[in-house]
Amino acid sequence: KQEVTQIPAALSVPEGENLVLNCSFTDSAIYNLQWFRQDPGKGLTSLLLIQSSQREQTSGRLNASLDKSSGRSTLYIAASQPGDSATYLCAVGDGQNFVFGPGTRLSVLP
Amino acid sequence: DGGITQSPKYLFRKEGQNVTLSCEQNLNHDAMYWYRQDPGQGLRLIYYSQIVNDFQKGDIAEGYSVSREKKESFPLTVTSAQKNPTAFYLCASSPALGATNEKLFFGSGTQLSVL
Repeated sequence: KQEVTQIPAALSVPEGENLVLNCSFTDSAIYNLQWFRQDPGKGLTSLLLIQSSQREQTSGRLNASLDKSSGRSTLYIAASQPGDSATYLCAVGDGQNFVFGPGTRLSVLP
Repeated sequence: DGGITQSPKYLFRKEGQNVTLSCEQNLNHDAMYWYRQDPGQGLRLIYYSQIVNDFQKGDIAEGYSVSREKKESFPLTVTSAQKNPTAFYLCASSPALGATNEKLFFGSGTQLSVL
């Protein structure tokens, strides 16, 4: 059964810093991996989707990488801003449904 | 605007009562999902549906029921058999299952609390 973990559970950084969030999964037979952002009391907003045949995806200040063989994905956020403060979740798709990690709670301090 | 609409935003359940959470999408997506989120935890799958009139149990289906009579609607009923229903419930949809470029879209959620 697929299990997804995220490290760290919480992270606090000063504004302007570059940072990396980690996502690990146990079964490498995946269709895709998606990164989401969730603000308190809100739904999830999709940030990036990496298909199983891809190594990375970029959107603005965000870059996500995927290493299926090692069961890892990273989300890189460049030049962090206070507006980036939220919980970031990764989800692994296996063609039937998606398995979510517990999330990393990010605080960017002005 | 295209998207997923969940209602109500807040819902209170009395002991022994069944309550229904609404989820409607106008994205023309085939697949729809219900997730439960507890504080500090990831999302857990309750039910999902790939096509109309068909749905499958997820990891925590006990105490819940769903229907999929229309492509755009996937309501979730929390029955009295669910003894710990307090949680944030999220509905999602995707174009179809089984595609590597399948992206998941979410509604804004319903917070269910027990009186």
